[in-house]
Amino acid sequence: ETGVTQSPTHLIKTRGQQVTLRCSSQSGHNTVSWYQQALGQGPQFIFQYYREEENGRGNFPPRFSGLQFPNYSSELNVNALELDDSALYLCASSLYSGGSTDTQYFGPGTRLTVL
Amino acid sequence: TQLLEQSPQFLSIQEGENLTVYCNSSSVFSSLQWYRQEPGEGPVLLVTVVTGGEVKKLKRLTFQFGDARKDSSLHITAAQPGDTGLYLCAGAPNNAGNMLTFGGGTRLMVKP
Repeated sequence: ETGVTQSPTHLIKTRGQQVTLRCSSQSGHNTVSWYQQALGQGPQFIFQYYREEENGRGNFPPRFSGLQFPNYSSELNVNALELDDSALYLCASSLYSGGSTDTQYFGPGTRLTVL
Repeated sequence: TQLLEQSPQFLSIQEGENLTVYCNSSSVFSSLQWYRQEPGEGPVLLVTVVTGGEVKKLKRLTFQFGDARKDSSLHITAAQPGDTGLYLCAGAPNNAGNMLTFGGGTRLMVKP
């Protein structure tokens, strides 16, 4: 059983560019959540995908968008990058039951630096 | 927007000491989770508490959920250098499944 994997590990972009981050869910999981963790802070919920549909969204602008594929892997896309987008981006997979105790398994994250 | 405030932000103690980390909110959560995060890794779940007043123990770690399900605490007894890391509390708001609201984290360093 493989855990949650993310790629790339590190990424450097400049302001105004676009970026795509990738996540492979843990085997058997059908839900993916994305979080942004700025340096020295706790993660902030961006959005969640369940069965290829957005299932919920945090307080992030529309330039943050996502996709979930039939194999439950996922992408996070960020357009028009800003300096404040520099952060560790975490994805977490879970097996959906709709409950608050569905355990999420986090990947190691992608460290994005915007110059 | 439901917020979780963690305190203290930083804690540096000697091996063998006890410590308590607090997680407080003005909002009610369906459940509350505690995670530990190491540098270069994602958070790893330590425990989930669901019922108000619930107490769970995991070896030297004791977790408590407040009666009103608005606050929680993590107590570590006889801390060891291996306990060093970032401790995060995360609440699941009502009717939001497992879309978590995280606290700001407590960075713990245990010196030998």
